[in-house]
Amino acid sequence: GQQLNQSPQSMFIQEGEDVSMNCTSSSIFNTWLWYKQDPGEGPVLLIALYKAGELTSNGRLTAQFGITRKDSFLNISASIPSDVGIYFCAGQASGTYKYIFGTGTRLKVLA
Amino acid sequence: EAQVTQNPRYLITVTGKKLTVTCSQNMNHEYMSWYRQDPGLGLRQIYYSMNVEVTDKGDVPEGYKVSRKEKRNFPLILESPSPNQTSLYFCASSLAFGYQPQHFGDGTRLSIL
Repeated sequence: GQQLNQSPQSMFIQEGEDVSMNCTSSSIFNTWLWYKQDPGEGPVLLIALYKAGELTSNGRLTAQFGITRKDSFLNISASIPSDVGIYFCAGQASGTYKYIFGTGTRLKVLA
Repeated sequence: EAQVTQNPRYLITVTGKKLTVTCSQNMNHEYMSWYRQDPGLGLRQIYYSMNVEVTDKGDVPEGYKVSRKEKRNFPLILESPSPNQTSLYFCASSLAFGYQPQHFGDGTRLSIL
């Protein structure tokens, strides 16, 4: 089945640093979603994007829906220890009722 | 409290012994979905349901069955489990397809020996 290419796979950063991660797809997406998963829990939605070019913020998080509709990025500014977790991109491929997830970016923040 | 409840949370069983993982949501959501999560592969959709009696295959449906007889329940059935179905499973629901967020359960960790 189709999967999204998400990078990087993992990141170790210092508290206070900014973080950037991205996802690319070989097919056009109608919706891009970014989730965070904490250990022992299900993913929780951070940001949803619905239009090409859309730039949306949620506190220290900013995400954009790529103009080509085949990519998206997520930025986290001024990271804090509770940002630790696995971040997933996901999307709805055009013409389907399915959600496709990326392989995840594991973020570790060093205090 | 709005929630998606999965049971059991953990299960160790043997090859070939039929099992069912239940999923229930209390939000009157139409869209429900099952995912499996494996290291390095992220989440992959197994089956989804647009509404009662309407189900369809996701990307990795082989070896699984589902049913949607009532709006709130969406059980995942493994008729003859095999070791390659050892995984972490999540059920999720949303108001309708395309509406966000999808609410995820806390997961069911299955080990098939």
